[in-house]
This record gives sequence, structure tokens and C-alpha cells, in this order.
Amino acid sequence: AQTVTQSQPEMSVQEAETVTLSCTYDTSESDYYLFWYKQPPSRQMILVIRQEAYKQQNATENRFSVNFQKAAKSFSLKISDSQLGDAAMYFCAYDFEATNKLIFGTGTLLAVQP
Amino acid sequence: KAGVTQTPRYLIKTRGQQVTLSCSPISGHRSVSWYQQTPGQGLQFLFEYFSETQRNKGNFPGRFSGRQFSNSRSEMNVSTLELGDSALYLCASSLANRDPGYTFGSGTRLTVV
Repeated sequence: AQTVTQSQPEMSVQEAETVTLSCTYDTSESDYYLFWYKQPPSRQMILVIRQEAYKQQNATENRFSVNFQKAAKSFSLKISDSQLGDAAMYFCAYDFEATNKLIFGTGTLLAVQP
Repeated sequence: KAGVTQTPRYLIKTRGQQVTLSCSPISGHRSVSWYQQTPGQGLQFLFEYFSETQRNKGNFPGRFSGRQFSNSRSEMNVSTLELGDSALYLCASSLANRDPGYTFGSGTRLTVV
């Protein structure tokens, strides 16, 4: 069975600094997608970044980038120039073949200090 | 364009009752999935519907059921509510089959007393 592990329950970063959130996963499949979602107190899950497993190039979205290590089954999120609005719960998620059946990690609560 | 709409936002029910939650996907989206979020178990997949057919089901008891209508709107039903069913229920929609562009709603907060 596929699993997603986030080993950092809480993280803190100073405004304008860089922080990296860790995620590891376990799967025997080759065709899958990995996601980072942000969940602020408003509860809505917001997509931060997505990585297709078949793509070797790491995905980037403005200040957000990932380090995707397929062999190591590692998928970390780097947030550069952290802003107060980045404070939220961040979830790493796995989806086999885009079946809309996401498996989530336990989340990392990110605090941004002014 | 309108996002994914979940109604109601909040709900309080008594143990033993049943409840129906609604999810209206983004216009044109045909896949809808449901997730349960609790502090203890985290986010867990309930089921997924595509074109009115349930394609995947998570590891939940038969008290949890769902359906999808021809306009892609989906409902989930929980019968004989238990205290442990208290949770945030989220739905996510995507445009097509095998399309990983998921958009989530803001969820329904269910409290069972």
C-alpha cells in the first residue's frame, strides 16, 4: 500500500528566509503524481505545486520549488522569500495515475515570524 | 469562474441521525472525490465518482455512501451517525478522466453530539 510520511509536525521560518518541508513516500508504481497543498485556517486545500513522476525536472512555481528524488522516494518543498501569508498547514500528497484518490501525509504546520 | 461549492458549511447532528452533504464541482468537471479530515486520522479518502459511477472507495464502513448526478454534483450520506464521524468533509473535482488538476471546496464541518 502506498504511504506518505511528513516527519516535521511543525516548522518555523523568519519572514524573507527560506524553509524546506520534507516528505517521503512509498510506492511500487511508476506512474504517479505528487502534490504539495496548503491549508490555511479558511480550510480550503490550495494546490501549491505538482510533480509528475515521469518528469525528471523539478517543478517550480514562483517562490515554491520541489526537490524530487524518485529513487529515494523523497519530495521536499522549498519556500523562498517566505511571506506572512505562507503560514498554514502544508500537506504532501500522492496520487496513482491521476485517479483523484489522494493519499495525504500528516501535514506540517508552518509558522512565519515577522 | 465559480469554484467547488460545498453545502452546508457547518452542521450539527445528533448521534444516530443521518446526514447528507453536497458538493457542486467546477462547471465542466466530471470527477468528484470526497475526503474526511480529523485530528486523529488526518485526511482519508472516502470515494470518487466519475460520470455518475463510483470508481474508487476508501476503507470506510457501509454507513458512508455517495452518489453523483448527471450534472456532476455529488452528495455523500452518512447514516447512523457516531461521535467519531465528527470531521471536516472535503470534496475535490477535476475536469476529466486521469486529470490531476484537482480543486477543493472549503468543506463541511460536521459535528455529532
